Amino acid sequence: GNSVTQMEGPVTLSEEAFLTINCTYTATGYPSLFWYVQYPGEGLQLLLKATKADDKGSNKGFEATYRKETTSFHLEKGSVQVSDSAVYFCAPCSNYKLTFGKGTLLTVNP
Amino acid sequence: SAVISQKPSRDICQRGTSLTIQCQVDSQVTMMFWYRQQPGQSLTLIATANQGSEATYESGFVIDKFPISRPNLTFSTLTVSNLSPEDSSIYLCSVEDVKNYGYTFGSGTRLTVV
Repeated sequence: GNSVTQMEGPVTLSEEAFLTINCTYTATGYPSLFWYVQYPGEGLQLLLKATKADDKGSNKGFEATYRKETTSFHLEKGSVQVSDSAVYFCAPCSNYKLTFGKGTLLTVNP
Repeated sequence: SAVISQKPSRDICQRGTSLTIQCQVDSQVTMMFWYRQQPGQSLTLIATANQGSEATYESGFVIDKFPISRPNLTFSTLTVSNLSPEDSSIYLCSVEDVKNYGYTFGSGTRLTVV
């Protein structure tokens, strides 16, 4: 089955700082790749996705590119806001099954 | 995308008892998924539930401990049986969001076993 290694947190940044959360995976075949986010007190939400190599997923200023050669899907944002404080999960998907990373807690201070 | 109503949102149960979690979707879906998130851990898939057939369990999860029902295309239940403190976790249901090519999650059930 798939496995995923996600940058461990917690990550603490100041507002407007640049964010990178690393994610690498192992999988047979070519999985779809997802980033999910869990804001405090809320459920899990899809942040962005990419379904094939070199695809770039983007949403709310966040981006991640499907890198087949390095089996990576790093999450980036150029300027974080306090409202981005949440837990972020990287998740490859094969055969309808999501495999989640351990999650990275991001705290953005004003 | 589909809207999922999951109940209860939390419960405290005595060891040896069982808890049944309900998941109601506002549209018909083929597959429903049940996940577990243990304290400080990531989400792990328990099983996939298709209407009209038995659920398919992942390695490490068995039907006797986690029986699942899927009576129609909008509803499923997960029962966690013979509870022990190690079952204290958040349990989530999920469905495929075909339109947006992703997966939608319920708000979760926080179970504490005492």
